[in-house]
Amino acid sequence: GAGVSQSPRYKVAKRGQDVALRCDPISGHVSLFWYQQALGQGPEFLTYFQNEAQLDKSGLPSDRFFAERPEGSVSTLKIQRTQQEDSAVYLCASSRGTGLGNTIYFGEGSWLTVV
Amino acid sequence: SQQGEEDPQALSIQEGENATMNCSYKTSINNLQWYRQNSGRGLVHLILIRSNEREKHSGRLRVTLDTSKKSSSLLITASRAADTASYFCATAINSGYALNFGKGTSLLVTP
Repeated sequence: GAGVSQSPRYKVAKRGQDVALRCDPISGHVSLFWYQQALGQGPEFLTYFQNEAQLDKSGLPSDRFFAERPEGSVSTLKIQRTQQEDSAVYLCASSRGTGLGNTIYFGEGSWLTVV
Repeated sequence: SQQGEEDPQALSIQEGENATMNCSYKTSINNLQWYRQNSGRGLVHLILIRSNEREKHSGRLRVTLDTSKKSSSLLITASRAADTASYFCATAINSGYALNFGKGTSLLVTP
């Protein structure tokens, strides 16, 4: 597609509910990132995939957060037993290459509100 | 944790004026990038400056980097109302995959 596509755009979840957020990166992009952005803050790194391999998951805040990219394209970020502090925008991004100098393209984000 | 810190947190100017935003960071970097985010939207990459570069231009944007002071500045010349957005600096370090973002500068350009 033309850009990084995320769904759903908006999600309201009841506390304790599981949610799944989907990311369709730009076709052919090797690298895929997930970031979490709280209101009024900058994005915080969650995890990184190179093709289907999850090379860095150091930013995942707890074991309730799980991400996968089984075929090296679409990725899903799953949050189990959601808590109010999980309320944030979840941004997916992709880049063509694997180096630090590659331009990273962000999606519009999935806005999660836990009530 | 966020490595970059932008300053000011908020900036209000009139159309036609220049806007300058600063970013400071803590550790050695591979490169530093600036992004723009319109309200409710994703981030848009503006410009990347490598650690061995001191200045870079792109249209009305000018970025400087001082690695000795661990700081960068973004200058937007002849600002327009459409430049209203939040601006973030992000640093890439050699040992990781993540971009580390600051908290951003909220820029308001009034007609």
